[in-house]
Amino acid sequence: ETGVTQSPTHLIKTRGQQVTLRCSSQSGHNTVSWYQQALGQGPQFIFQYYREEENGRGNFPPRFSGLQFPNYSSELNVNALELDDSALYLCASSLAGVVGELFFGEGSRLTVL
Amino acid sequence: DQQVKQNSPSLSVQEGRISILNCDYTNSMFDYFLWYKKYPAEGPTFLISISSIKDKNEDGRFTVFLNKSAKHLSLHIVPSQPGDSAVYFCAAMGDRNNDMRFGAGTRLTVKP
Repeated sequence: ETGVTQSPTHLIKTRGQQVTLRCSSQSGHNTVSWYQQALGQGPQFIFQYYREEENGRGNFPPRFSGLQFPNYSSELNVNALELDDSALYLCASSLAGVVGELFFGEGSRLTVL
Repeated sequence: DQQVKQNSPSLSVQEGRISILNCDYTNSMFDYFLWYKKYPAEGPTFLISISSIKDKNEDGRFTVFLNKSAKHLSLHIVPSQPGDSAVYFCAAMGDRNNDMRFGAGTRLTVKP
């Protein structure tokens, strides 16, 4: 069974640039959620994708967008990067209809200079 | 809006003793509560959960207690082991599995 994998693990961008983060969900999982974890805080829900459609969104501006592909992998795109976007971005997969447990990847650490 | 709060950023206990981690929530619509454990450079991993229809759930050394009237839950680890040293996150969600809210975490250190 393959776990959740994310890429890249670390990256540095400058303010105003755009970034794409990638996630492969755990085998058999059809739902992907993205979280932002700032230093010293818990993960904050960005959005969730199910069947290639957005299935819920947290309090993040439209410059945070995503995609889910037919193989259930997913991308998180952030445009017009701001310094406060520096954080660990976590992807989690789950099975629709099964309440509760999320399976997290190791995260992508983004630094915006 | 912080709907899930963990007011203790850190906790230190001696090996073999009980660790008690606390969590408070404000949203009465939360239906399901979970604890995750996170080691450095790894993603959070699921530890234990409890539904709002229960007040206790036990899994080996880990027990979660839920007090709905007080909107409070706690995680008990007995006996604590050095390998339990990690950051513990409390999480809560409603009946739709698409918006899990996390607390800020409590760093547990278990001393040998």
